Amino acid sequence: AIRMTQSPSSLSASTGDRVTITCRASQGISSYLAWYQQKPGKAPKLLIYAASTLQSGVPSRFSGSGSGTDFTLTISCLQSEDFATYYCQQYYSYPRYTFGQGTKLEIK
Amino acid sequence: EVQLVESGGGLVKPGGSLRLSCAASGFTFSSYSMNWVRQAPGKGLEWVSSISSSSSYIYYADSVKGRFTISRDNAKNSLYLQMNSLRAEDTAVYYCARVLDSDPYYMDVWGKGTTVTVSS
Repeated sequence: AIRMTQSPSSLSASTGDRVTITCRASQGISSYLAWYQQKPGKAPKLLIYAASTLQSGVPSRFSGSGSGTDFTLTISCLQSEDFATYYCQQYYSYPRYTFGQGTKLEIK
Repeated sequence: EVQLVESGGGLVKPGGSLRLSCAASGFTFSSYSMNWVRQAPGKGLEWVSSISSSSSYIYYADSVKGRFTISRDNAKNSLYLQMNSLRAEDTAVYYCARVLDSDPYYMDVWGKGTTVTVSS
């Protein structure tokens, strides 16, 4: 199975900061990567697919990059509503999806 | 509005059974593959099972193979997960999520989830 490793596991930041979360795949997955945001007690929400394509309705302060094994999610100017847990997911080995362990973004 | 609504969760004893349902609305259900994804308390997301649009292709995670059965009824716009021989480690929130039945295969819409607790 393809393993997805996110770093950091948790991150403290302030409103207005720029933050970057990294996701590494255990083997090359081309650009078959999605990012999800999850708030407590809520379902995951798709932010980005194909490593860098913003899902409709997602604010442009979110961006994604990378291909192969190394990927990043960047939030350019943190807003209060962005404090949540973020997951990467590979769909290269569809349907045997695997997720990263999550990155919890907390208010400093 | 595109919507997925899960139901059927609850408290069950180890070794027991439960059937989850996912009702779809606002889109052409028969054009999408469907998935179950679970999240144990305080843990990350784990893919459980997938079924193609016409039920031709079905897949399971190793952790549930032989115990869980996924199915769908396109006439009723519904997805199901029959869970047998439940274990404590199956305790989780179970989400259904749709995937377009062709590349790219990301999960773009998720339900709010239903909670399954396996405990004596």
